[in-house]
Amino acid sequence: GQNIDQPTEMTATEGAIVQINCTYQTSGFNGLFWYQQHAGEAPTFLSYNVLDGLEEKGRFSSFLSRSKGYSYLLLKELQMKDSASYLCAVKGGGNKLTFGTGTQLKVEL
Amino acid sequence: DTEVTQTPKHLVMGMTNKKSLKCEQHMGHRAMYWYKQKAKKPPELMFVYSYEKLSINESVPSRFSPECPNSSLLNLHLHALQPEDSALYLCASSQERTRGRTEAFFGQGTRLTVV
Repeated sequence: GQNIDQPTEMTATEGAIVQINCTYQTSGFNGLFWYQQHAGEAPTFLSYNVLDGLEEKGRFSSFLSRSKGYSYLLLKELQMKDSASYLCAVKGGGNKLTFGTGTQLKVEL
Repeated sequence: DTEVTQTPKHLVMGMTNKKSLKCEQHMGHRAMYWYKQKAKKPPELMFVYSYEKLSINESVPSRFSPECPNSSLLNLHLHALQPEDSALYLCASSQERTRGRTEAFFGQGTRLTVV
């Protein structure tokens, strides 16, 4: 079975840093992806981790610990436009891409 | 071209109707996906096609029938749907590789309402 859990909602202040956690238990692991989805729009790719450690990409960083079944997405210098749903997704065997429960992030002034 | 195109954008259908959702990509991706997304919920995987063959069916009811006529096209045929099937249906595609960065690219979705 697949269990991929995230906090349901988070609120942060413009200019601050926020960390969104994702814990997973899956059968098979071929990488973990983070996506952003604005209301009414398609998910868009943010980052990818397959080895342990931190991947940095501008204001966004993502970390993976395979032994702990844990990842986080770090967003720095938050902007109002970062208000969105953030989804972690695990790729298992056979191209099976399963999404976590999703975190709705609200950025306030 | 990194676009996945879905048509129609909106669809209203009765419970006795038959309709089809269409998805097209020209990125040379050989893995294609259908997801269902309800409001304020994450996308739920329905089907995966790999090299035009159905590789994963997540126990989806038979009133949903996928089809992959060629490497660029993916259809979802709908018949005798229920009101609870109303949702956003998302198509996605990715490179068909087990390892490496193979992010899925998503279409804008078809907003389906069953009346």
